[in-house]
Amino acid sequence: GAVVSQHPSRVICKSGTSVKIECRSLDFQATTMFWYRQFPKKSLMLMATSNEGSKATYEQGVEKDKFLINHASLTLSTLTVTSAHPEDSSFYICSARVWRGSSYEQYFGPGTRLTVT
Amino acid sequence: AQTVTQSQPEMSVQEAETVTLSCTYDTSESNYYLFWYKQPPSRQMILVIRQEAYKQQNATENRFSVNFQKAAKSFSLKISDSQLGDTAMYFCAFMRVGAGGTSYGKLTFGQGTILTVHP
Repeated sequence: GAVVSQHPSRVICKSGTSVKIECRSLDFQATTMFWYRQFPKKSLMLMATSNEGSKATYEQGVEKDKFLINHASLTLSTLTVTSAHPEDSSFYICSARVWRGSSYEQYFGPGTRLTVT
Repeated sequence: AQTVTQSQPEMSVQEAETVTLSCTYDTSESNYYLFWYKQPPSRQMILVIRQEAYKQQNATENRFSVNFQKAAKSFSLKISDSQLGDTAMYFCAFMRVGAGGTSYGKLTFGQGTILTVHP
């Protein structure tokens, strides 16, 4: 089946620094990638949608200058949390969508736990 | 805008028994997909089942089946013969499908239901 990887799986950074999270589709080319944020025992909140080679579309309330998304290729998207603060600590999940001939399928990465100290 | 509501924050069931998780949604769209996703303690999201709105027949996947009531905008998940590995958080989700079935909206998730299967 289709695999989406995320790196790193866990990261701890100091307040004020930036951290980059990578999302890769390993065996398919994704037309669209999504970034979600999830707090413990809560639902997934969509942060932004990105298509290869174009600017990401951010959801209302998500600071685009703080959460930088780069979709460099059909298999790689990155999320950079700039000037991280403790309130940015969360679980970040990426997802990749691909056309399978008759419909789109969407696959999820394993997530990245970010802790800002 | 679409909304998805899961009114059961937590459920529990004994191993080998059957449990039903509830989900209701609100939309003005005529063509859409509905999903149930499972998120076990590993936190990897796993697709359990998908239902196309235009299909009257309820989707089934082994021990998992849905009761799709389009007029009532209800989409419940039934898990039969529950197993310890079914312990997870379950999310109901909605996705709009554009005319012709070639454009798809974003997934809208419900609040989730934490299911615990007891031995």
